Amino acid sequence: GENVEQHPSTLSVQEGDSAVIKCTYSDSASNYFPWYKQELGKGPQLIIDIRSNVGEKKDQRIAVTLNKTAKHFSLHITETQPEDSAVYFCAARAEYRDNYGQNFVFGPGTRLSVLP
Amino acid sequence: EPEVTQTPSHQVTQMGQEVILRCVPISNHLYFYWYRQILGQKVEFLVSFYNNEISEKSEIFDDQFSVERPDGSNFTLKIRSTKLEDSAMYFCASSEAARDTEETQYFGPGTRLLVL
Repeated sequence: GENVEQHPSTLSVQEGDSAVIKCTYSDSASNYFPWYKQELGKGPQLIIDIRSNVGEKKDQRIAVTLNKTAKHFSLHITETQPEDSAVYFCAARAEYRDNYGQNFVFGPGTRLSVLP
Repeated sequence: EPEVTQTPSHQVTQMGQEVILRCVPISNHLYFYWYRQILGQKVEFLVSFYNNEISEKSEIFDDQFSVERPDGSNFTLKIRSTKLEDSAMYFCASSEAARDTEETQYFGPGTRLLVL
């Protein structure tokens, strides 16, 4: 089955700096990779996702890159702000097989702290 | 913006008791999921549900767990005889579909279950 690793486990940056979180996955059949942000006491919220037919996707200060050959994908946050402080989870989902819902395999999470 | 809601937000129960966790998925979504997150650990998939039946389940989802969609809006997770190790945050999620652009899973705020 799929296994997702995530690094670093904790990351502290100064406000305005960039943050990069990296994930690797094991199942070459995986084709959908969402990133979730989880604030204290709340559920995971999708912030960006990427599919295996593209190598990069950007949404304002957030970007995700995917290297299918190496089976890794990364989240990039530029111009970080204190409100970016949260736990970030990457996830992978295997190739769609039928009409049934597919489960996500989550990475262990990265606790990002943006210091003012 | 439509969102997934969950009740209760917190539940404390005695070991061996039954609990029912409730979720109201986004109204036009057809696929429903339960995940759990033990404190400080990664989000783990439990079960997915489509067309009134379980489509996929993890090894965590043993015979003490069951899911049901009792009406057109609610989606429930029942734990028949709770164990101490069931203490966790339980997240419900829903998606419009299971492929392409409709596969994004939206998470609820979670129910924190504490088994004493």
